[in-house]
Amino acid sequence: DADVTQTPRNRITKTGKRIMLECSQTKGHDRMYWYRQDPGLGLRLIYYSFDVKDINKGEISDGYSVSRQAQAKFSLSLESAIPNQTALYFCATSDSGTSSYEQFFGPGTRLTVL
Amino acid sequence: KNEVEQSPQNLTAQEGEFITINCSYSVGISALHWLQQHPGGGIVSLFMLSSGKKKHGRLIATINIQEKHSSLHITASHPRDSAVYICAVRYPGGGADGLTFGKGTHLIIQP
Repeated sequence: DADVTQTPRNRITKTGKRIMLECSQTKGHDRMYWYRQDPGLGLRLIYYSFDVKDINKGEISDGYSVSRQAQAKFSLSLESAIPNQTALYFCATSDSGTSSYEQFFGPGTRLTVL
Repeated sequence: KNEVEQSPQNLTAQEGEFITINCSYSVGISALHWLQQHPGGGIVSLFMLSSGKKKHGRLIATINIQEKHSSLHITASHPRDSAVYICAVRYPGGGADGLTFGKGTHLIIQP
């Protein structure tokens, strides 16, 4: 079974709709991240969380919000989706107890906003 | 803004060739990661380097801290190595806010 899962894997929606992308992990990691990937661009950080009570904005947080419901769950919401939010979204986790800060990625959610 | 540059952007080679992908960064870092993204989209971590060299199977990663440069080598390349290879760096004090990523190198190995 995958250690980091994302739902849904694919989603097509319309402009103005509210969308939630969910991420769950069984790795026991305390840190979780949301990234988006666009063609020709590198992965960019949207939000990150150290633990349940800690939420931080990343490079491109405008238009997004997050919720860390439990250590294992980190959700990303688009309150009113717009076409330029069409992208591949990745959740990732890391363990602050290790020196490497290696990140483990979910399989990605492909979101299309029409 | 701290930049991570990868070269080449695209690389097509024949099976068996020795492959080199380069990554340069602009300021001092605490660690550098090499990631692999397969056509299905999933991303896996290959290496984390802070100095020297690491080897795993046919993959070798090196880093030169003074020159702010890292290379990923693939020996005896195979079509299953076809993927996007991504370099990502962590800046000192940046352990909490994730990685800064290069745009990736799209590698195709032809049989």
